[in-house]
Amino acid sequence: NAGVTQTPKFQVLKTGQSMTLQCAQDMNHNSMYWYRQDPGMGLRLIYYSASEGTTDKGEVPNGYNVSRLNKREFSLRLESAAPSQTSVYFCASSGTLNSPLHFGNGTRLTVT
Amino acid sequence: AQTVTQSQPEMSVQEAETVTLSCTYDTSESDYYLFWYKQPPSRQMILVIRQEAYKQQNATENRFSVNFQKAAKSFSLKISDSQLGDAAMYFCAYRSANTGNQFYFGTGTSLTVIP
Repeated sequence: NAGVTQTPKFQVLKTGQSMTLQCAQDMNHNSMYWYRQDPGMGLRLIYYSASEGTTDKGEVPNGYNVSRLNKREFSLRLESAAPSQTSVYFCASSGTLNSPLHFGNGTRLTVT
Repeated sequence: AQTVTQSQPEMSVQEAETVTLSCTYDTSESDYYLFWYKQPPSRQMILVIRQEAYKQQNATENRFSVNFQKAAKSFSLKISDSQLGDAAMYFCAYRSANTGNQFYFGTGTSLTVIP
């Protein structure tokens, strides 16, 4: 059972560089999410996708873009990385309303 | 947006003892879901327990149980017979049953287990 798979696990970028974080789930979930985790701030929602073809901003969307490529895949793009985007990023998915979030293993991103 | 508050940034417990982690939330809704997640040093997010607001009975999963007080908007996690492997960050989360696409998380409680 793969669950939610996100890549890469670690990434170091220089300020101004771009990159895409990939995420795929094999649980046939409609909803997918991108969170960032910073010390003392818990998990903050960047973007989410309630279903294929839709995306919505979360609490901290500035500096990010997303693509719901199909039901399985939901990518997060940083067009011009900034040191403030140094964080741990989690992709997650969820099924029906009473379902919990299923998380990927996270990506530790450092922007220098 | 709903807010979830975990007022204990850090807690510690002796091995084999019991510890309770606090969580409160702010909502005007009557139907929702609550979750506790564990995040060990491996960074993986693991579901510990969940509670449906319409159920009066408190959820239990082995050594983990909750004290759900709907009127007080409180959802505490009790860990009995604490083990070294319980050391982790614990996050409380809320999901609306009506507009349920978003999950709201607390800031977490870091639990240390003392041998």
